[in-house]
Amino acid sequence: SQQGEEDPQALSIQEGENATMNCSYKTSINNLQWYRQNSGRGLVHLILIRSNEREKHSGRLRVTLDTSKKSSSLLITASRAADTASYFCATVRGQAGTALIFGKGTTLSVSS
Amino acid sequence: AAGVIQSPRHLIKEKRETATLKCYPIPRHDTVYWYQQGPGQDPQFLISFYEKMQSDKGSIPDRFSAQQFSDYHSELNMSSLELGDSALYFCASSPTRGETQYFGPGTRLLVL
Repeated sequence: SQQGEEDPQALSIQEGENATMNCSYKTSINNLQWYRQNSGRGLVHLILIRSNEREKHSGRLRVTLDTSKKSSSLLITASRAADTASYFCATVRGQAGTALIFGKGTTLSVSS
Repeated sequence: AAGVIQSPRHLIKEKRETATLKCYPIPRHDTVYWYQQGPGQDPQFLISFYEKMQSDKGSIPDRFSAQQFSDYHSELNMSSLELGDSALYFCASSPTRGETQYFGPGTRLLVL
């Protein structure tokens, strides 16, 4: 990956449990975004956190950003079977570029 | 709400053939991006256009070219196809450079 690693690569949990995924990146960023992808389908934008923000919430999602460690985490609380998907973090590279640089993704499996 | 439209959704080609993928961004979105996602891989940025001009370039092979037309739709032209070009090709659009990107459902290209 051009960016870094996501941890863990795969995660299996039961419905109702919380799921935490971590992402590290290599370069300075403008913002960091999390996307969900159901098997072989399109990417759905979940949340965007800017480089000057430390934490952001959206429904059952909580994202943190630590620019000193170049890392971010996505927490999904009270998970549901419908949350089963791959989750990717993506950074906007620098100030001049607009491309998303994706991490390798975490495959989340939520069983009922 | 209108989403990004991609056509065709599926495409099968032989080696050394050409392919053209089309993308229709969300109305009033001025930036279009193309990404390639190989099996089990994270999406890789290919190229982007802002107001019909190329704005950023990633790992796009010389065999590929793209353009954005006056109605903002974009086409990705792929020539001399290779087996390794088999992948999901996503188009995304955004209303402002560097902000959230909205992805289409993708075109699944299979090169035989």
